[in-house]
Amino acid sequence: SQKIEQNSEALNIQEGKTATLTCNYTNYSPAYLQWYRQDPGRGPVFLLLIRENEKEKRKERLKVTFDTTLKQSLFHITASQPADSATYLCALDQWDTGRRALTFGSGTRLQVQP
Amino acid sequence: NAGVMQNPRHLVRRRGQEARLRCSPMKGHSHVYWYRQLPEEGLKFMVYLQKENIIDESGMPKERFSAEFPKEGPSILRIQQVVRGDSAAYFCASSPPGGASYEQYFGPGTRLTVT
Repeated sequence: SQKIEQNSEALNIQEGKTATLTCNYTNYSPAYLQWYRQDPGRGPVFLLLIRENEKEKRKERLKVTFDTTLKQSLFHITASQPADSATYLCALDQWDTGRRALTFGSGTRLQVQP
Repeated sequence: NAGVMQNPRHLVRRRGQEARLRCSPMKGHSHVYWYRQLPEEGLKFMVYLQKENIIDESGMPKERFSAEFPKEGPSILRIQQVVRGDSAAYFCASSPPGGASYEQYFGPGTRLTVT
């Protein structure tokens, strides 16, 4: 079965710096990879989706890369702000095999210091 | 456009009782997913439903757990004879119909505590 690894240690950075979070997976390459944000006591919120034939995707201060050779995705937040502090989850689906369930990593907690 | 709604937000049950969790998907969405999140752990898929059909229940425990998404009304996740290990946050998500993969929209979750 698919395994997803995200750095379980919290990432602490200064406001204004770029935060980079890593998502590594084993086994097969998914058709799609997604990133979600989760705040304490709340449900995950969708941020970005990248397809296997896309190398990079951007949305405002967010950027996601997808390297199917390395089996890795990087998630960048530029000009980080304290409001960006949250847990960020990487998720893969198996839509191409008929399964639409998402497999989530355990998340990386980001703390942006003012 | 209201988001995914879940109720109750918090549910306390004694061991052996039944827990019933409800989820109303976003308007226009016909796919519903249930996930469980244990403390300090990631989200784990449980079941995927469309109206009146269970499409994928590969993540559901074999006993005590069931889910439905009737033609009318919310999706319901039912846990019979709850045990302490069932204490967790249960999230429902929905996505629109169609053949392509879409992002999933999550509700606020139901936090189940079994005493």
